[in-house]
Amino acid sequence: IAGITQAPTSQILAAGRRMTLRCTQDMRHNAMYWYRQDLGLGLRLIHYSNTAGTTGKGEVPDGYSVSRANTDDFPLTLASAVPSQTSVYFCASSLTENTGELFFGEGSRLTVL
Amino acid sequence: AQSVAQPEDQVNVAEGNPLTVKCTYSVSGNPYLFWYVQYPNRGLQFLLKYITGDNLVKGSYGFEAEFNKSQTSFHLKKPSALVSDSALYFCAVRDMDTGRRALTFGSGTRLQVQP
Repeated sequence: IAGITQAPTSQILAAGRRMTLRCTQDMRHNAMYWYRQDLGLGLRLIHYSNTAGTTGKGEVPDGYSVSRANTDDFPLTLASAVPSQTSVYFCASSLTENTGELFFGEGSRLTVL
Repeated sequence: AQSVAQPEDQVNVAEGNPLTVKCTYSVSGNPYLFWYVQYPNRGLQFLLKYITGDNLVKGSYGFEAEFNKSQTSFHLKKPSALVSDSALYFCAVRDMDTGRRALTFGSGTRLQVQP
């Protein structure tokens, strides 16, 4: 089934380590997003990309970086993980930046100790 | 700035009864409004959206939402709740008239339907 694939599903890592969360979509969507979900706070946008080769900052970008080398892949990197980055991370995509309907991956649960 | 408020952390309703999940929004321009549902350990799924036109929007699984501009609300409704509707529901907004394209989500409302 076409959609968004995220990896890993779950990860525990030590503070200070580098971590990359992978996201791949096969719907040829132009826009992609990374959100984090925290209890009581809903989903907050970390970074987004409106098209391959461009990225932008969301509400909570500090400590995270992204790249968009091609249409399908949008990895999220934590250069030096901290405990406050413990969260569930969702990758999403939409046909264009103007299309509000987002398609979400299943999420990556990250625990930073 | 755009924002969304979901005033209820949890809504409890008996199966067969009507349900309402509340959402209010704030945008400087015209709103583009959405409801998403999240089942346990899954990503969010699109339910319905409002852009323009009829204030009552119908979506998936028998859900509908009513846009009220004067009250800046977009409440989610269903005439008869099912146990399988139990999930986490998120309202989201985008301001159609500003440069910001990404959706802003509310904090979510947990719907519990009792048999």
